[in-house]
Amino acid sequence: GEDVEQSLFLSVREGDSSVINCTYTDSSSTYLYWYKQEPGAGLQLLTYIFSNMDMKQDQRLTVLLNKKDKHLSLRIADTQTGDSAIYFCADYTGGFKTIFGAGTRLFVKA
Amino acid sequence: DTEVTQTPKHLVMGMTNKKSLKCEQHMGHRAMYWYKQKAKKPPELMFVYSYEKLSINESVPSRFSPECPNSSLLNLHLHALQPEDSALYLCASSQEFSPLHFGNGTRLTVT
Repeated sequence: GEDVEQSLFLSVREGDSSVINCTYTDSSSTYLYWYKQEPGAGLQLLTYIFSNMDMKQDQRLTVLLNKKDKHLSLRIADTQTGDSAIYFCADYTGGFKTIFGAGTRLFVKA
Repeated sequence: DTEVTQTPKHLVMGMTNKKSLKCEQHMGHRAMYWYKQKAKKPPELMFVYSYEKLSINESVPSRFSPECPNSSLLNLHLHALQPEDSALYLCASSQEFSPLHFGNGTRLTVT
């Protein structure tokens, strides 16, 4: 079946940029998503990108998509302590099914 | 604030109890979902309702029984659960080919 993989941990200093990487296997992806989950909360949609796009920027967030390598990244500029959370990469495969990566736990050191 | 509301936020139940989880959305989404999330894991799909009809059941044990009374409401009825069913239960809604919108979940503990 289709799969989404991402690294489990990332630690950065406050004010630095964070880059979270993700790879996926689905050749027919139409949408790829980034969700954020804070402790005790549900998943919050951060941003998404259509498969025919290479880049999307939304304030401090930049999403890059390399469709040839099936690689997706999320860059958070000027990372703050409030950005500490788990970030899930997700691939919408159609038929109401979304494949989630294992999640990257971002630690931001003050 | 989340646009998908789940109640209760926390639930403790014994293995012989019957309880229900509730979910409500007013975004006009025609698909509603139940996910189960264990600690430090991604959400796992349980059920999908599309236009108030059950579209997907991911081989979930019958002690979990979903119900969609109308296009805005989704329930999950629980009966004779096991301790390993303790988890965060997340409700989500969407239009097709659109992102999932999640509620904040119900933290369920089965004793």
